[in-house]
Amino acid sequence: AQSVTQLGSHVSVSEGALVLLRCNYSSSVPPYLFWYVQYPNQGLQLLLKYTTGATLVKGINGFEAEFKKSETSFHLTKPSAHMSDAAEYFCAVSLSGGYQKVTFGTGTKLQVIP
Amino acid sequence: KAGVTQTPRYLIKTRGQQVTLSCSPISGHRSVSWYQQTPGQGLQFLFEYFSETQRNKGNFPGRFSGRQFSNSRSEMNVSTLELGDSALYLCASSEFGSGNTDTQYFGPGTRLTVL
Repeated sequence: AQSVTQLGSHVSVSEGALVLLRCNYSSSVPPYLFWYVQYPNQGLQLLLKYTTGATLVKGINGFEAEFKKSETSFHLTKPSAHMSDAAEYFCAVSLSGGYQKVTFGTGTKLQVIP
Repeated sequence: KAGVTQTPRYLIKTRGQQVTLSCSPISGHRSVSWYQQTPGQGLQFLFEYFSETQRNKGNFPGRFSGRQFSNSRSEMNVSTLELGDSALYLCASSEFGSGNTDTQYFGPGTRLTVL
């Protein structure tokens, strides 16, 4: 079984400041981890994913995330927030090996203050 | 390539009715997954279809069902609607299947309101 916890349902940052969205997972086997972004009235868009290999994953729009097995974390960061980053972000996990369903976190709404 | 399309985008029904939602995946994608998104429960997995077969199922009552056609288009049906079924229903397609290393591409969703 797998689960994912996102700390903070709402996060506010100033434009140009560091963005840090936290995600911790629980998985019985090596996980696959994902970050998605959802803009209002739209579906989800994949930002980045970790499957195997390099633990620092770079995604679209300047976002990156680091898989830390010892901390069971997969936090999302961006060095400098832009107004267009305001959206809801979802961390997700699935189990490796076979075709497994994806379990999503409850989401974090990011507000960017000008 | 065209993205994932879902129809209708908005739907209003009353309790006890049934509803059918449609999803057309990206051309060449054989997997379609359905999710329910609500403010209280977040994103919850309903089921996944791959080559017309249900391959995974979430923890939803039997009122929720789906199917996939030979052209990979998928429909989900909810019978005997309840107020709690009001949600955004999202469809996602991928080449080989949900989870794993395959990337899912989401449609814009169907907003269902049950009165």
